[in-house]
Amino acid sequence: ETGVTQSPTHLIKTRGQQVTLRCSSQSGHNTVSWYQQALGQGPQFIFQYYREEENGRGNFPPRFSGLQFPNYSSELNVNALELDDSALYLCASSYVEREWDLGQFFGPGTRLTVL
Amino acid sequence: DAKTTQPTSMDCAEGRAANLPCNHSTISGNEYVYWYRQIHSQGPQYIIHGLKNNETNEMASLIITEDRKSSTLILPHATLRDTAVYYCIVRVPDAGYALNFGKGTSLLVTP
Repeated sequence: ETGVTQSPTHLIKTRGQQVTLRCSSQSGHNTVSWYQQALGQGPQFIFQYYREEENGRGNFPPRFSGLQFPNYSSELNVNALELDDSALYLCASSYVEREWDLGQFFGPGTRLTVL
Repeated sequence: DAKTTQPTSMDCAEGRAANLPCNHSTISGNEYVYWYRQIHSQGPQYIIHGLKNNETNEMASLIITEDRKSSTLILPHATLRDTAVYYCIVRVPDAGYALNFGKGTSLLVTP
């Protein structure tokens, strides 16, 4: 059984650019959630995808968007990057059955630096 | 989700039990208590969760008080590799419900 993987590991962008981060869910999982973790803070929920549709969203602007693919892999896209978007971006996959989330398992994260 | 309160930091000697407390006095009947930990620069790692009964797995034990207003995570024989930030999270395990991480407890295990 493979765990949650994310790519790239590190990324440097400049303000105003766009970025795409990728996540591959743990085998057998059908739901993916994305979190942003600023330095010294706990992770903050961005959104969750279930059956390829957004299924919950935190307090993040529309320039944060995502996709979930039929193989349950996922992308996080951030447009018009700002300096405050510098953070560790975490992907978590889980198995949802009958609306019951059996637990989220996290990948190692992508460290994004915006200059 | 109910709010949780944890100490900012704790120390524990290697080989001793680490007891990490969490207060969740506003927990509702359908909310579970989850524990995660995050070792520096890694993704959070699931440890254990429970509703009202005490739970034990290969990593830790979870003791929930009878009124469910507080809980304790026990690492029975702490090792240096247990040094991490430990998060206590209370949530309804429905799809779409996020894990609301607070600031957690920074546990330092010393030789």
